[in-house]
Amino acid sequence: GAGVSQSPSNKVTEKGKDVELRCDPISGHTALYWYRQSLGQGLEFLIYFQGNSAPDKSGLPSDRFSAERTGGSVSTLTIQRTQQEDSAVYLCASSLAIGDFLRGELFFGEGSRLTVL
Amino acid sequence: KQEVTQIPAALSVPEGENLVLNCSFTDSAIYNLQWFRQDPGKGLTSLLLIQSSQREQTSGRLNASLDKSSGRSTLYIAASQPGDSATYLCAPRMDSNYQLIWGAGTKLIIKP
Repeated sequence: GAGVSQSPSNKVTEKGKDVELRCDPISGHTALYWYRQSLGQGLEFLIYFQGNSAPDKSGLPSDRFSAERTGGSVSTLTIQRTQQEDSAVYLCASSLAIGDFLRGELFFGEGSRLTVL
Repeated sequence: KQEVTQIPAALSVPEGENLVLNCSFTDSAIYNLQWFRQDPGKGLTSLLLIQSSQREQTSGRLNASLDKSSGRSTLYIAASQPGDSATYLCAPRMDSNYQLIWGAGTKLIIKP
């Protein structure tokens, strides 16, 4: 696609429900990142996928969070048993490859705003 | 643990002014540093990347400086315009794992 696409753009859910957030990176981009941006805070790294390598999950805040990337393209971030502190904007970004990421060529989607009531 | 602070948190100035946004970081072991712009409800756009060996980088009306040893970077915006209104984020990239560590941003409003 022309850019990184995320859906839904807005999601309101009740505490305890599971949610899935989707990211469709730029076609051909092998590197995909998920970040979380809480109100008034900087972005927080969650997880990184590079090609077929095992993902770097070091930023996931708890075992309620998981992500997968099928076929090296679309990624889904799943939050189980949502809590109010999970409310944030979840941003996805992609790069052609790790070298491009290091050169700052990182392209962001518009984010999915999650509100947990 | 790297901590990134951006000052001021918010800034409102009249159109045409030159201004400086500040970013400080606690761990100088960085690979490079990026400045991003975030418009409301939009994703982030990279503005400038400055390598750890560089002192400054320029793009149009924007100039970023880096003093790695003192843990500081500044973004200078010349002749500000209303279209510059956005949140500006600073993010050093760590040497150890190449991950970006983000500041909370400076929300800039340029008044016509």
